[in-house]
Amino acid sequence: RKEVEQDPGPFNVPEGATVAFNCTYSNSASQSFFWYRQDCRKEPKLLMSVYSSGNEDGRFTAQLNRASQYISLLIRDSKLSDSATYLCVVNIGDGGATNKLIFGTGTLLAVQP
Amino acid sequence: DTAVSQTPKYLVTQMGNDKSIKCEQNLGHDTMYWYKQDSKKFLKIMFSYNNKELIINETVPNRFSPKSPDKAHLNLHINSLELGDSAVYFCASSQRTSVSSYNEQFFGPGTRLTVL
Repeated sequence: RKEVEQDPGPFNVPEGATVAFNCTYSNSASQSFFWYRQDCRKEPKLLMSVYSSGNEDGRFTAQLNRASQYISLLIRDSKLSDSATYLCVVNIGDGGATNKLIFGTGTLLAVQP
Repeated sequence: DTAVSQTPKYLVTQMGNDKSIKCEQNLGHDTMYWYKQDSKKFLKIMFSYNNKELIINETVPNRFSPKSPDKAHLNLHINSLELGDSAVYFCASSQRTSVSSYNEQFFGPGTRLTVL
C-alpha cells in the first residue's frame, strides 16, 4: 500500500465547476499535511497547508480528518489556470531536522473552457 | 531573484558515465533536500542535509553521493549512471523549526536527466 494515496484522475471539468480531491495516508504518526501544485514540467509549489480545523484560502478549502487519515481539497469556481497536478503531501517528521515529506502520486486537473 | 537554483537544467549522458548536479539556495534556509521524480511522476525524497550534516538517507544506491560544502549548497554526484537513473531530480530547501512541522519546502526548477 502506498503511504499517500490519491486518485490520479484526470479530472476534466468545465470552467466554474467545483471539484474535490481526496487523499488517504497510512502513517498515523504524520505530523503535518499539505497540498502542493505542480504545473507541467515545473517544480512543485505549496498551494496550502492543511490544519485539523480545516482551512480556506479564497476558492480553495482543505480538510483533514486525522481519525480516518483522510485529507481533501475543494476548488470552487474552477479557472483555466487551475489546470495542474495536485499533490497530497504528509510530513512524517517533527519539524526539526527530520522533516520528511511523503508525496502522493498526484491528481491531474484539466479545466476546460 | 531565483530562490532555489539548479544546474544543469537538462543532462543527457551515456550509461556508465559520472555526472553532477548542483543546487544553491539564497533563502537562508538551513535544510536542503534531493528528490527524484520518475517517469510516472512519483516524487520521492532521496537525501536531506541540515547545516551540512546528512540527516535523511533513503534507500538510494551508493552510486549517488550528496555533498554539502555549506548550508546554501547541496550537490548530487552520480557514478556509473544506469538507464533507470533517468528522471527529474529536484532540489529543495526549508528552514528547520522546533515549534512546528508546518514549514514549507521550496523547490528548484529540476534537472531532467536522460541516460542513454
